[in-house]
Amino acid sequence: QKEVEQDPGPLSVPEGAIVSLNCTYSNSAFQYFMWYRQYSRKGPELLMYTYSSGNKEDGRFTAQVDKSSKYISLFIRDSQPSDSATYLCAMSPNTGGFKTIFGAGTRLFVKA
Amino acid sequence: NAGVTQTPKFQVLKTGQSMTLQCAQDMNHNSMYWYRQDPGMGLRLIYYSASEGTTDKGEVPNGYNVSRLNKREFSLRLESAAPSQTSVYFCASTMEEWVHEQYFGPGTRLTVT
Repeated sequence: QKEVEQDPGPLSVPEGAIVSLNCTYSNSAFQYFMWYRQYSRKGPELLMYTYSSGNKEDGRFTAQVDKSSKYISLFIRDSQPSDSATYLCAMSPNTGGFKTIFGAGTRLFVKA
Repeated sequence: NAGVTQTPKFQVLKTGQSMTLQCAQDMNHNSMYWYRQDPGMGLRLIYYSASEGTTDKGEVPNGYNVSRLNKREFSLRLESAAPSQTSVYFCASTMEEWVHEQYFGPGTRLTVT
């Protein structure tokens, strides 16, 4: 069993829809939770970063962490065709970035 | 700022050939990382350098070597390429080793035939 599980999709939604992307994990030591966006043939770019449990909002994006369920989510409101990309969840314990574990990514297509 | 740059963008090697992937960052970061990305799998850490002068193995170091040339540059070498090393390679950096937000380069697509 992988430490981090992420549905690969693809997930196809119409423009303007609310998108929900999720990851589950098994290691209770994870404290830092990140979401990266990766456009086709590009490097990942950091989208959201949260520490421990709770919600964080940045514009149309909201990240949620539920440590009791070992479940994290990324919500995208008013989705746009430019949001079409692969979204990688990532998480790490307190010991440092070199311990970061990445999910395999969910491919998202937003249709105009 | 160019951020993290990688060369080359694409490379095709024959089995047994060697090559070096180059990475440089201009963000004055202390820590640098090399990952590989394969279909259906998350990014996997090959090697990292917490600071200039140090390197450590990651999850999948076999068949690779690294050199932290200076604070800006971190290279990855394949001494004898194998088809199993066909992948997309990403370099990343962070301000310090305990910082979790990583900045990635554009990647090198390597095919070994």
